[in-house]
Amino acid sequence: SQQGEEDPQALSIQEGENATMNCSYKTSINNLQWYRQNSGRGLVHLILIRSNEREKHSGRLRVTLDTSKKSSSLLITASRAADTASYFCATVSYNFNKFYFGSGTKLNVKP
Amino acid sequence: EAGVAQSPRYKIIEKRQSVAFWCNPISGHATLYWYQQILGQGPKLLIQFQNNGVVDDSQLPKDRFSAERLKGVDSTLKIQPAKLEDSAVYLCASSLNRVYEQYFGPGTRLTVT
Repeated sequence: SQQGEEDPQALSIQEGENATMNCSYKTSINNLQWYRQNSGRGLVHLILIRSNEREKHSGRLRVTLDTSKKSSSLLITASRAADTASYFCATVSYNFNKFYFGSGTKLNVKP
Repeated sequence: EAGVAQSPRYKIIEKRQSVAFWCNPISGHATLYWYQQILGQGPKLLIQFQNNGVVDDSQLPKDRFSAERLKGVDSTLKIQPAKLEDSAVYLCASSLNRVYEQYFGPGTRLTVT
């Protein structure tokens, strides 16, 4: 079974609003990564957060990691129509041998 | 910097036929991954190579799927014989090493009829 599960499965918001997606995982990790996938550009890496980090920022993206709860969240601020895509979390196991993608959150940003 | 290259981009075959996919990773990337992505789902890792050695192939259906990475660079993934449920997009990705972010190719869309 896959390691990460995203919540919600689908999210629809207006342009300018913030979007929050959550990810839960099952076992100890080395790091957690977020990826975006749309039909135009395929799968693209967004941000990586290590197990000893609690929060990370990149542009309009903010990621948090709570290893005690085995969960992470991705916040996209001031969303744009171009942010419409599926977002996946992915985990690298503590021994680097396992890599799992979650089931994804489908984000629709309405102009 | 050139990205991850995959070919072919599309393939249609009949069940019980065989098919092969090719991947050329980013130069210098030690780790190479093959994923299967069924429509509406997240990518499922089939096999992970570190240089030319296999790190994880626990989700590879070994009775019909095989993969190799000769000389630690290019890789091929083969399905023989194909089943209807193998219809999916097959993604190749590479990374500098196992802990780093992955760079994905455009994928091969396989349809098995």
